[in-house]
Amino acid sequence: EVQVLESGGGLVQPGGSLRLSCAASGLTFSTYGTDAMSWVRQAPGKGLEWVSGISGSGRRTYYADSVKGRFTISRDDSKNTVYLQMNSLTDDDTALYYCAKDSLGGPHGMDVWGQGTTVTVSS
Amino acid sequence: QSVLTQPPSASGTPGQRVTISCSGSGSNIASSYVYWYQQLPGTAPKLLIFSNNQRRSGVPDRFSGSKSGTSASLAISGLRPEDEADYYCAAWDGSLSGYVFGTGTKVTVL
Repeated sequence: EVQVLESGGGLVQPGGSLRLSCAASGLTFSTYGTDAMSWVRQAPGKGLEWVSGISGSGRRTYYADSVKGRFTISRDDSKNTVYLQMNSLTDDDTALYYCAKDSLGGPHGMDVWGQGTTVTVSS
Repeated sequence: QSVLTQPPSASGTPGQRVTISCSGSGSNIASSYVYWYQQLPGTAPKLLIFSNNQRRSGVPDRFSGSKSGTSASLAISGLRPEDEADYYCAAWDGSLSGYVFGTGTKVTVL
């Protein structure tokens, strides 16, 4: 069974940085061309917002306009882990961050989700 | 920021049929696959429908998706109490090079 587990959330001051991790089990990143991954966040009481995605090869990365230039997505296939480096954090980045196995617009959508990790930006 | 528009709420009694609309544009719904996600209270979203109208394995056939032009819809027939949840549509937006989600619809079983 494929599972993903997020970690790295916490309380950070405005302007600070945080790195989220998403560890996948039950699949091998380097084997499947469709093992793209995405980060999606949900602010308290709000809807879902896609944040960033990375292709199976790692060569293509995508970002929502709201985080472009501040967040960086990367992957380490040797650790089956995807990362989200978040810099210059603001109150608007406070949310529950989900990691999901994805097809980046392909037919299968985000078919495996983790339980999320909470990021709180506050002074 | 949500680019796909959904009604904020929908409701029905057990056994009824409920339909949720999702309105987008030529750069997303009209030219991409549409997905539907269900989020039960306090839990992570779950993929219900992919490729516009394909049910994920294990999803009851009471759930069906469709797409026409710049709009899509999710229908729930034979509504059950366990269907109470938030439902989100999503699609890849070619102009944004990223996903857009719908505003979300809260389904209540009366």
